[in-house]
Amino acid sequence: KAGVTQTPRYLIKTRGQQVTLSCSPISGHRSVSWYQQTPGQGLQFLFEYFSETQRNKGNFPGRFSGRQFSNSRSEMNVSTLELGDSALYLCASRLTGTVYSGANVLTFGAGSRLTVL
Amino acid sequence: DQQVKQNSPSLSVQEGRISILNCDYTNSMFDYFLWYKKYPAEGPTFLISISSIKDKNEDGRFTVFLNKSAKHLSLHIVPSQPGDSAVYFCAASANFGNEKLTFGTGTRLTIIP
Repeated sequence: KAGVTQTPRYLIKTRGQQVTLSCSPISGHRSVSWYQQTPGQGLQFLFEYFSETQRNKGNFPGRFSGRQFSNSRSEMNVSTLELGDSALYLCASRLTGTVYSGANVLTFGAGSRLTVL
Repeated sequence: DQQVKQNSPSLSVQEGRISILNCDYTNSMFDYFLWYKKYPAEGPTFLISISSIKDKNEDGRFTVFLNKSAKHLSLHIVPSQPGDSAVYFCAASANFGNEKLTFGTGTRLTIIP
């Protein structure tokens, strides 16, 4: 069973540009979440999509947006890039299930490392 | 406001000894807790979880303990092995585990051969 696939793995952008990151979840998983990882901040929640609808959103500015397609694939976009946006962006998928279900465990991709110069 | 806290950024343990990683949380709505392990250049991988209806869960060398009154959980690794060297993240969720996961800042565990 293929895991969570993120593309691109590495990218370099300059301030003011925009970037789109892609995520293909595990087959059958309908929930996709995005996290930002920076040194000292751990994993910060960006948003979660389920069946093409945003279920939850973290405390990030409106420059960060996302969407989910009918095949559950997801993209996130960051516009007007700032130096502080340099980070590892992690996508994760899960089934979402019943009470305390193992289906609620997130499976992560390897991430997209964004460097803003 | 950091709702899940891992106060030790790093921990070094001798191979074969016990590693104990700690995590505190402030949100009393959290009812499902997980530990993830992360190697460099890889995404975090799920290790073990525990629901609020239990106070202990074991899986091989890994045991998680939950103290709800203290809002504290810990991960015990016995015996520690060199391959356990990684960053460990504690995470919590509400609504029987169906809400978003909130992560701590991680503890870097180094196992000394």
